Amino acid sequence: ELKVEQNPLFLSMQEGKNYTIYCNYSTTSDRLYWYRQDPGKSLESLFVLLSNGAVKQEGRLMASLDTKARLSTLHITAAVHDLSATYFCAVSGETSGSRLTFGEGTQLTVNP
Amino acid sequence: NAGVMQNPRHLVRRRGQEARLRCSPMKGHSHVYWYRQLPEEGLKFMVYLQKENIIDESGMPKERFSAEFPKEGPSILRIQQVVRGDSAAYFCASSRGMDEKLFFGSGTQLSVL
Repeated sequence: ELKVEQNPLFLSMQEGKNYTIYCNYSTTSDRLYWYRQDPGKSLESLFVLLSNGAVKQEGRLMASLDTKARLSTLHITAAVHDLSATYFCAVSGETSGSRLTFGEGTQLTVNP
Repeated sequence: NAGVMQNPRHLVRRRGQEARLRCSPMKGHSHVYWYRQLPEEGLKFMVYLQKENIIDESGMPKERFSAEFPKEGPSILRIQQVVRGDSAAYFCASSRGMDEKLFFGSGTQLSVL
């Protein structure tokens, strides 16, 4: 059974600081997703990572994938208040097609 | 393209009633997935359907829950005799094909009184 673990689950940080969210998964996967969810809203797709060593950046967020370590990171640079949200990583297994297994989520609060 | 449409946005039911949640996938998408999200948790897979067929229902509770995706019309997630523990946000997602990117709807928040 594919398991996905994120840490930390809660993160409170000051504006302007950097931090990293980690996502570990238990079995071989062919793709990894990062989503953002605002309270009461649906999921917004941030990144899709398909191969070992993949790195994608959008604004202050950068995601990377190490398939050998079964680890993805979401790095936040110079955080701003607008980044406050819950961030989920999700993994699709080699045989599960588009079916995703989600991590528990990291609730990020950026304080002014 | 209107995206994945779910309705109702909010649904309140009393214990023992039935809940019907609807999902219209994006135009051109024939694969539909239902996920459930309990408060402060990640999304949990429930069922995967492709027009008129249930492909994978391994995440569905064995009783009271059913899903369909008819040839015409939206996909329906049906919960019979709801209990308080069914209170959650139910998200639908669709894709063009089995290995294609998922697009999520806005969800239905079910509250059971």
